[in-house]
Amino acid sequence: EIVLTQSPGTLSLSPGERATLSCRASQSVFNNYLAWYQQKPGQAPRLLIYGPSSRATGIPDRFSGSGSGTDFTLTISRLEPEDFAVYYCQQYASSWYTFGQGTKLEIK
Amino acid sequence: QVHLVQSGAEVKKPGASVKVSCKASGYIFSNYGISWVRQAPGQGLEWMGWITAYNGNTKYAQHLQDRVTMTTDTSTTTAYMELRSLRSDDTAVYYCARDGSGTHAYWGQGTLVTVSS
Repeated sequence: EIVLTQSPGTLSLSPGERATLSCRASQSVFNNYLAWYQQKPGQAPRLLIYGPSSRATGIPDRFSGSGSGTDFTLTISRLEPEDFAVYYCQQYASSWYTFGQGTKLEIK
Repeated sequence: QVHLVQSGAEVKKPGASVKVSCKASGYIFSNYGISWVRQAPGQGLEWMGWITAYNGNTKYAQHLQDRVTMTTDTSTTTAYMELRSLRSDDTAVYYCARDGSGTHAYWGQGTLVTVSS
């Protein structure tokens, strides 16, 4: 099983600032098959990024993904008030998918 | 427009079973798989497994494979997830999601399953 470790656990920033979220895999993620999701309280997750740098349909270009092998990053260039949420990475390189434990992005 | 509509909340006693349904519409059901993901209160997302709709092939998370069964009914475009021998730590919101080669762009609304004596 590929274990994904996200850091930091909580990130406190202000609107307009840049956010950098990390996801590290316990082994190399084949073909960089890694996705990022956003989840707000009481809602289902929303796909943001896959593959690891393609934006899903309708996702604003302030969201970007990068990385390869075992280290991946989600960057939000300028935070909007609606971006404060929990973010999860997920690998789909293995037939047994796994999620990271999440990073909570909170307003400072 | 893709929609996944799940069955309603359930309350079960320890040791019982629960079966959650996920009715899909707005796309060709047999062209995609369905993943099931759960989220315990205040916790993160846990992938439970997936099923390919066209032939019913499954992959289950190893720690659940003895208690979970996922099925699909292509005639009604509905996926099902049954979890047996329920324990209190199975209390969670259970989500179905359309599996597009490993990514999940469409999700159901979630079904709360509460396990309590």
